[in-house]
Amino acid sequence: NAGVTQTPKFQVLKTGQSMTLQCAQDMNHNSMYWYRQDPGMGLRLIYYSASEGTTDKGEVPNGYNVSRLNKREFSLRLESAAPSQTSVYFCASSKAGGVGEQFFGPGTRLTVL
Amino acid sequence: LAKTTQPISMDSYEGQEVNITCSHNNIATNDYITWYQQFPSQGPRFIIQGYKTKVTNEVASLFIPADRKSSTLSLPRVSLSDTAVYYCLVGPEGQGFSFIFGKGTRLLVKP
Repeated sequence: NAGVTQTPKFQVLKTGQSMTLQCAQDMNHNSMYWYRQDPGMGLRLIYYSASEGTTDKGEVPNGYNVSRLNKREFSLRLESAAPSQTSVYFCASSKAGGVGEQFFGPGTRLTVL
Repeated sequence: LAKTTQPISMDSYEGQEVNITCSHNNIATNDYITWYQQFPSQGPRFIIQGYKTKVTNEVASLFIPADRKSSTLSLPRVSLSDTAVYYCLVGPEGQGFSFIFGKGTRLLVKP
């Protein structure tokens, strides 16, 4: 089992460019999440998906869109990147919602110039 | 949303027991307490979860007093590899997404 995988690992964008961060899990989990972590800070929830076909906003959704493509895959899109979106992005999954055990991917380090 | 308060940082030495306390005064009846560990450049990793009294696994123990307004993560005989950030989360299990990671506690284990 690969667990939670994320691509790419690193990305540099110019202001205004767009990109999609990919996430996939092979644990048959229902819930998936996207977080961002800024230096010295905790994780902040961007969007989550309680189950296939549903998505909801988290704490900091502005500037992002998500797609739950199927049960395995949950993508995060930046339509017009801004320097304030420079961060490390983590995808996670869990069997159900709430504070149950979440499994995290290795992260994507994004820099917006 | 149950707000949690943890110390920003702690120092310890190899071989010592480390106790990290989390305060959650407005914990709800159906809330659980969950702790995560995060190493630099990695995603967080689940350590332990509990509802009341004491829970122990191969990594840590979690102590929760009767009023549940606080909890203590206990790491026995820490090593240098336990240097990490530890997060306390409070929220319902299996439903909703009403929890916050916060800034966590930076534990530095010295030789």
